Amino acid sequence: AQKITQTQPGMFVQEKEAVTLDCTYDTSDPSYGLFWYKQPSSGEMIFLIYQGSYDQQNATEGRYSLNFQKARKSANLVISASQLGDSAMYFCAMRGWSGTSYGKLTFGQGTILTVHP
Amino acid sequence: SAVISQKPSRDICQRGTSLTIQCQVDSQVTMMFWYRQQPGQSLTLIATANQGSEATYESGFVIDKFPISRPNLTFSTLTVSNMSPEDSSIYLCSVEGLSVNTGELFFGEGSRLTVL
Repeated sequence: AQKITQTQPGMFVQEKEAVTLDCTYDTSDPSYGLFWYKQPSSGEMIFLIYQGSYDQQNATEGRYSLNFQKARKSANLVISASQLGDSAMYFCAMRGWSGTSYGKLTFGQGTILTVHP
Repeated sequence: SAVISQKPSRDICQRGTSLTIQCQVDSQVTMMFWYRQQPGQSLTLIATANQGSEATYESGFVIDKFPISRPNLTFSTLTVSNMSPEDSSIYLCSVEGLSVNTGELFFGEGSRLTVL
């Protein structure tokens, strides 16, 4: 079984500042993938970044970086230089890897990020 | 990433009726996934649809309530049957990305259903 925990229901950040969204996870799978998605008010789900459990380096995609601490089972999303358009719901998610295929994608409860001008 | 189109984007439905949501992908994919997002909640997987076989439903979801079709490798439908206000949700279809090594899913725009 997998569990994703996002303890911050809401976060506020000033425009141009950096913000960290927390995510912890629990799984019995020896190998897994961790993902972050953005959901604007329109409802679409936008894939942001991926981190593999055996990746040695933290993933980065433009202004997004993933602070992966495997021993602590955390996969925090860092957004640098926040923009007004970053205001949205953010979901952390994971999929276990069996060696031949991925399991289902499990989501956390989400964090609403509000960027103030 | 695949381009995924869903119809309808939103609808208002009467209690007791059924609605079919369509999902069209611009490339052939083996598996398609249907998720539900109730208001203010996270996403929950309803079922996985493979072409040529019966969909696999998650605990708490049954075929009679959420029948799924998968007639080919680019198309699927989800029907929400005998709707009640509790079915008011965003329904999203998703597919795996081109990189099977990373396992990310890409989502359609969602179908926002309101049941009165």
